[in-house]
Amino acid sequence: EVQLLESGGGLVQPGGSLRLSCVASQFTFNNYWMTWVRQVPGKGLEWVATIDQAGNEKYYVDSVKGRFTISRDNVKNSLFLQMDSLTTDDSAVYSCARSPIRYFDLWGRGTLVTVSS
Amino acid sequence: DIQMTQSPSSVSANVGDRVTITCRASQGISSWLAWYQRKPGEAPKLLIYGASNLQSGVPSRFSGSGSGTEFTLTISSLQPEDFATYFCQQADSFPLTFGGGTKVEI
Repeated sequence: EVQLLESGGGLVQPGGSLRLSCVASQFTFNNYWMTWVRQVPGKGLEWVATIDQAGNEKYYVDSVKGRFTISRDNVKNSLFLQMDSLTTDDSAVYSCARSPIRYFDLWGRGTLVTVSS
Repeated sequence: DIQMTQSPSSVSANVGDRVTITCRASQGISSWLAWYQRKPGEAPKLLIYGASNLQSGVPSRFSGSGSGTEFTLTISSLQPEDFATYFCQQADSFPLTFGGGTKVEI
């Protein structure tokens, strides 16, 4: 089955770090740009970061620039999001998405990140 | 940044009704717009891209129209499985942005 599966979420204190992972199955991962999107439960969606097929081009929402790093391993069909200096505003469900032409045609179900003391 | 304003935020409808949702961009985005459906506990699903192109596998009762700054998603005859939340998204430029969502409920 074509799918994306996220992991790595959890509870972390403000100022802490987490590394999210997303494993792709049953499609040619290195053909696609990939994206992280987050959603605070009950609120809207927020685009977080996008990376090109080779990992050379990266784009971030202003609120995470300098704190989050998107990366990928095309051998392991995996996408990552390194999140540092976390704040309570970063609490959300983080989903990875396949991104042809800046749309999102395949999503994972997400992993919950809670930043709290 | 391009702001996406979606309306209404919720709509009550019955099976068989025609439902229209509007999305407005704060600046022109040509046809760089997508619509998604999200149900509780499920991953979002791409319905429409390029403002009016139906994603493969999506029922033809869904349609999209518009260009520039004003866009609509229409469900021609609401089915029980269509009760969900719908989001628009501009794909014109980074940062990519979403509308606030429209909950379609009975």
